[in-house]
Amino acid sequence: GAVVSQHPSWVICKSGTSVKIECRSLDFQATTMFWYRQFPKQSLMLMATSNEGSKATYEQGVEKDKFLINHASLTLSTLTVTSAHPEDSSFYICSARDLGGRNIQYFGAGTRLSVL
Amino acid sequence: QQQVKQSPQSLIVQKGGISIINCAYENTAFDYFPWYQQFPGKGPALLIAIRPDVSEKKEGRFTISFNKSAKQFSLHIMDSQPGDSATYFCAAYEGAQKLVFGQGTRLTINP
Repeated sequence: GAVVSQHPSWVICKSGTSVKIECRSLDFQATTMFWYRQFPKQSLMLMATSNEGSKATYEQGVEKDKFLINHASLTLSTLTVTSAHPEDSSFYICSARDLGGRNIQYFGAGTRLSVL
Repeated sequence: QQQVKQSPQSLIVQKGGISIINCAYENTAFDYFPWYQQFPGKGPALLIAIRPDVSEKKEGRFTISFNKSAKQFSLHIMDSQPGDSATYFCAAYEGAQKLVFGQGTRLTINP
């Protein structure tokens, strides 16, 4: 199946710093990538939809200035958590949509962010 | 507003038994229904998926049953194994974009 690589898998940072998370589709091109947030024992919550070469579309309640998304190529999208605070600590997961296949989303392994 | 309702929240099944997880939806615009399996600290992995014009799909020990008129679908895991212990999410696609997830079911298979 299609492979989506997410890096880093775990990051610890100090409050006030920024953290960048990368999401790559390894064996297919993805014009659309998605970023989710997952709290412990809860479902995935869509944060934003990222389209290659254009601005991301954010879900209601998600601060676009805090969660910067860049989708510069057909295989790479990045999420930058700016001025991170402890309440931003969470599990962030990206997915990429494979248009060439069954037009479904394949997920990365996730990034656990801990803000001290 | 939860568009896909999933039950039960947690499920314990003996090894070799059948695990059954149910989902219901309201939005008739949903047109593709995948199930995902997630292990702790990992991203969801696609398990099996079905279109609404099909009533059943089987892949190995995993079967989806789909009832379009009732707007319900379920996952059956036959001969459940300890390695199947994970959290399972049903989901639904609305067109080519958004994927809506159920709340998840934490499945434990006792050896």
